Formats: sequence, C-alpha cells, structure tokens
Amino acid sequence: QVQLVQSGAEVKKPGASVKVSCKASGYTFTSYGISWVRQAPGQGLEWMGWISAYNGNTNYAQKLQGRVTMTTDTSTSTAYMELRSLRSDDTAVYYCARAGMVQGVITRWGQGTLVTVSS
Amino acid sequence: EIVMTQSPATLSVSPGERATLSCRASQSVSSNLAWYQQKPGQAPRLLIYGASTRATGIPARFSGSGSGTEFTLTISSLQSEDFAVYYCQQYNNWPAYTFGQGTKLEIK
Repeated sequence: QVQLVQSGAEVKKPGASVKVSCKASGYTFTSYGISWVRQAPGQGLEWMGWISAYNGNTNYAQKLQGRVTMTTDTSTSTAYMELRSLRSDDTAVYYCARAGMVQGVITRWGQGTLVTVSS
Repeated sequence: EIVMTQSPATLSVSPGERATLSCRASQSVSSNLAWYQQKPGQAPRLLIYGASTRATGIPARFSGSGSGTEFTLTISSLQSEDFAVYYCQQYNNWPAYTFGQGTKLEIK
C-alpha cells in the first residue's frame, strides 16, 4: 500500500535550517509529485509547494520563495524539504502529501514532522 | 493567489442534526474544489473532490455542492465521529493549491 514516512521531530534555533525527509513506498515514485503542507499549532493548513518526482520541477508558495527548497532522490524514493533562516513562526507540523488520480487532490499524507524553532 | 474563505469559523450542532459548511473562492475555481476532515493529532482525510464526488469509503451522509466561487459541504445526520475541523482546498491552478482557514464542527 502507498506509504509516506517522514523523518522525526526537530528542534532548531532561529536562523538555522531544517531538512525534512519523506520516504515513499508502494508505488512508482516518479509517477506522482509531492506536495508539502504545514500546520502551525492550533492553526490551519498552509500549502508550501510542490515538486515533480519525474523531472524535479518545483512550484513554491510565494511567501516562502527564497527560503524553501524541495528536492527528490529517485534512487531512494525520498523527497526532501529544506527551510532556511528559521523563525519562531515556522514552528509547525510539516506534512508531505501525494495526490491520487486527480491532479491536486491529496489522497495520501505522511505522518507529519514537528519542527520547533526556539532559542 | 486564490484566497479561500470558510464560514463559519465554528459551528455547534447536535448529533443527528444537519451541518452546512461554506467555502468561498476569491475567483472562480470551476469545480476544482476538495474538502478534507482533520481530527486532533491526525493528518487530514479527503472527503470530497470535484466539488461533489465522494472519495472512496466516505459515507453517503457527506455531500458537496457548488461551482465557481461558492461551495457547500453538508453532513446530513451528524455522528459522533464527525466532530472535527473541515478544510476546503482549491486545486484549479495546480500545482499551486490554497486551503481555507477551516471550520471547527463542535458538539452542541
């Protein structure tokens, strides 16, 4: 079955960087893109960006342009999301997610990775 | 960027009653609208896509309607497990999505 398994929780200081991984299994990795969505404590869902696992094309949310980089490693079926210059308001649960047969409709989610930014 | 606005922010309904949640887009998204349910400590779950198509395994008490800029999620007879937060999401300008801010459905 399709699974997305994310790396563990992180604690970072302001100004640092974090890199979250998302290992996919149960399907052909290059056939689907991966989206990243985050959720601050008690807040709603925020789309961060998308990467094609086929050719590496990316589309980032405007507010994160310049601070976020999404990559994939097709040899290990793993997607990565790196966020730089961390601030306290980047504290959130970060999810990787995959659409199904309809582009844009998310049918599979990772378990989430809590990133805490604190001095 | 397409802005999605959900109302109300919180909805209090008694079990067995009907709940109606609204979602408005700042510009037309055609029928490219999905609804998700999220319970505490869990990832969201897809309920509806294409504005009105139920996802696999979703009970018939969940229904979606609308197109363009106005959308509605209706839960016909609330069960205890339905009390959660609901999000709408547009995917009309995929791969750039936006979510609404959510409606919390609580027990009255």
